[in-house]
Amino acid sequence: GAGVSQSPRYKVAKRGQDVALRCDPISGHVSLFWYQQALGQGPEFLTYFQNEAQLDKSGLPSDRFFAERPEGSVSTLKIQRTQQEDSAVYLCASSFSGRAIIDNEQFFGPGTRLTVL
Amino acid sequence: GNSVTQMEGPVTLSEEAFLTINCTYTATGYPSLFWYVQYPGEGLQLLLKATKADDKGSNKGFEATYRKETTSFHLEKGSVQVSDSAVYFCALSGYSGGGADGLTFGKGTHLIIQP
Repeated sequence: GAGVSQSPRYKVAKRGQDVALRCDPISGHVSLFWYQQALGQGPEFLTYFQNEAQLDKSGLPSDRFFAERPEGSVSTLKIQRTQQEDSAVYLCASSFSGRAIIDNEQFFGPGTRLTVL
Repeated sequence: GNSVTQMEGPVTLSEEAFLTINCTYTATGYPSLFWYVQYPGEGLQLLLKATKADDKGSNKGFEATYRKETTSFHLEKGSVQVSDSAVYFCALSGYSGGGADGLTFGKGTHLIIQP
């Protein structure tokens, strides 16, 4: 497909479990972003990659959150020891250019809805 | 830091009515401004953008003008359709410290158009 894909689309975890969320960006896109969207809220920035380099992780809420993009394409967001407050939709977005282009369009995936019981 | 404030919904209008969704922002420097739309069951899509003061973004009959003097980017459409029912997000990007690489979003406005 031509768009950003994410898997799984839905994930239910018991409190304390680890989860891994996958993002496949549009082929050739340099930049990749992760956002967290709580119910009834707008997306909030978590972290940013330019190719394989994680240039900004200032939005990660705790050290339980970890993201990687080892080959500059697919990215994984991992949440360790999940808590109920981690329940949200996790959105991935990619864009063609790097960080210097602040008006660059970001293309969003459908999101992964995480529910922590 | 950056922030975006947009009118809360839901906003319910009849078909062919005039639409305004207010958006104001706080940012240092010269951000770019965006409206994203999320149709039911779909992901976020860029609706329009403006990159400098007095620019007007437009798409699908929607318009928004970047007003630096009032720090606003209000979304307007002259005649809405049922198919415009969606959640609309105002957003900005720019460099101002932590989180500068990502977009800063408002909370979203749920628009409902009745036939």
